[in-house]
Amino acid sequence: EPEVTQTPSHQVTQMGQEVILRCVPISNHLYFYWYRQILGQKVEFLVSFYNNEISEKSEIFDDQFSVERPDGSNFTLKIRSTKLEDSAMYFCASRMAGGVGAFFGQGTRLTVV
Amino acid sequence: RKEVEQDPGPFNVPEGATVAFNCTYSNSASQSFFWYRQDCRKEPKLLMSVYSSGNEDGRFTAQLNRASQYISLLIRDSKLSDSATYLCVVNTGNQFYFGTGTSLTVIP
Repeated sequence: EPEVTQTPSHQVTQMGQEVILRCVPISNHLYFYWYRQILGQKVEFLVSFYNNEISEKSEIFDDQFSVERPDGSNFTLKIRSTKLEDSAMYFCASRMAGGVGAFFGQGTRLTVV
Repeated sequence: RKEVEQDPGPFNVPEGATVAFNCTYSNSASQSFFWYRQDCRKEPKLLMSVYSSGNEDGRFTAQLNRASQYISLLIRDSKLSDSATYLCVVNTGNQFYFGTGTSLTVIP
């Protein structure tokens, strides 16, 4: 069964450092998302991406965040200068066209120290 | 006002019980509706889509009431493996809005 894959599974970084979280969405999917979940809290939307551009972003997704789909298969989330409060589980998701649900990757646990 | 509201629970039920979860959403323009399941420290997994006509998948039945902006999930004959957090998810525009989740523990 096709799945969304994310790497790394866990990343520890120092405050102020840049991180890149990587995702390979399901191959025939057209819509891509990044979400995050701080421990014990709900899943929060960061950004959606369609047709090689951002279609919507949340207030969390400020200038420190960016996304790219560099080669037609990978979908990356970059955080330029990490803060302690960026520590969370980051989930990538993708879906086909139509009113279907999104499929989530296993997540990258980001710990900023 | 929250986009999606759920009773956080927890719900502790014996094996074999029937349990129902409810959810309301605030945006009448929302297009599609889902229940996801999330195990501790894992990713959300799509359980089922929710339609106004109601839909059933084995022991799980989901229902959408657009007029009252209300979504439900019924689990019959609960199994120990049903223990998880159940997330009500609404697709509005270009994003999926998540509820806080309802915690279910099925007790032997």
